[in-house]
Amino acid sequence: NSKVIQTPRYLVKGQGQKAKMRCIPEKGHPVVFWYQQNKNNEFKFLINFQNQEVLQQIDMTEKRFSAECPSNSPCSLEIQSSEAGDSALYLCASSLSWAETLYFGSGTRLTVL
Amino acid sequence: QQQVRQSPQSLTVWEGETAILNCSYENSAFDYFPWYQQFPGEGPALLIAIRSVSDKKEDGRFTIFFNKREKKLSLHITDSQPGDSATYFCAASDRSGGSNAKLTFGKGTKLSVKS
Repeated sequence: NSKVIQTPRYLVKGQGQKAKMRCIPEKGHPVVFWYQQNKNNEFKFLINFQNQEVLQQIDMTEKRFSAECPSNSPCSLEIQSSEAGDSALYLCASSLSWAETLYFGSGTRLTVL
Repeated sequence: QQQVRQSPQSLTVWEGETAILNCSYENSAFDYFPWYQQFPGEGPALLIAIRSVSDKKEDGRFTIFFNKREKKLSLHITDSQPGDSATYFCAASDRSGGSNAKLTFGKGTKLSVKS
């Protein structure tokens, strides 16, 4: 069973509202990824961290999305102004290193009305 | 441009049969191929993985067959059980890419096992 904890499980927001979700990586895992899985099962990479440092992020996350992984606190992904197209399952995953297995949490299902 | 393709999109087998799920990729630099199993309402869970130096990886009822030359792999689930009913994702990454080694996923195969 995955030890990556994501909260909340479900999130409902109106268009233009902020949406924030959190992730506690598996203990001792310094590498954290966020993916978006849409209703067609397509995975889209959003951003990754090593410890507290952002290493890669796609253009989309540079505009409306922000994320952080502060030390001794949960990681978070926030959408500043939600759009209907943001409705999806947001998955957090962690790993011991870039070369190791990625373990996923159960996800936060965001619905933007 | 889809770098990892899976087929079929959906598959139904009877309990006890062998289910064969296919995957192909385009990027020759991919060298690590995990398969994830996802149940409705849950995140993907690692099932089995293979590195490109191997052509076969077995774990119980699950076996990956890998053909580097053709850039194809397949997941065989023998003695399929109703509890195996889930969506299976083939993924790939280039582990020599260091911090660029993010996983690229296929669109999944939805497996139904009938009893």
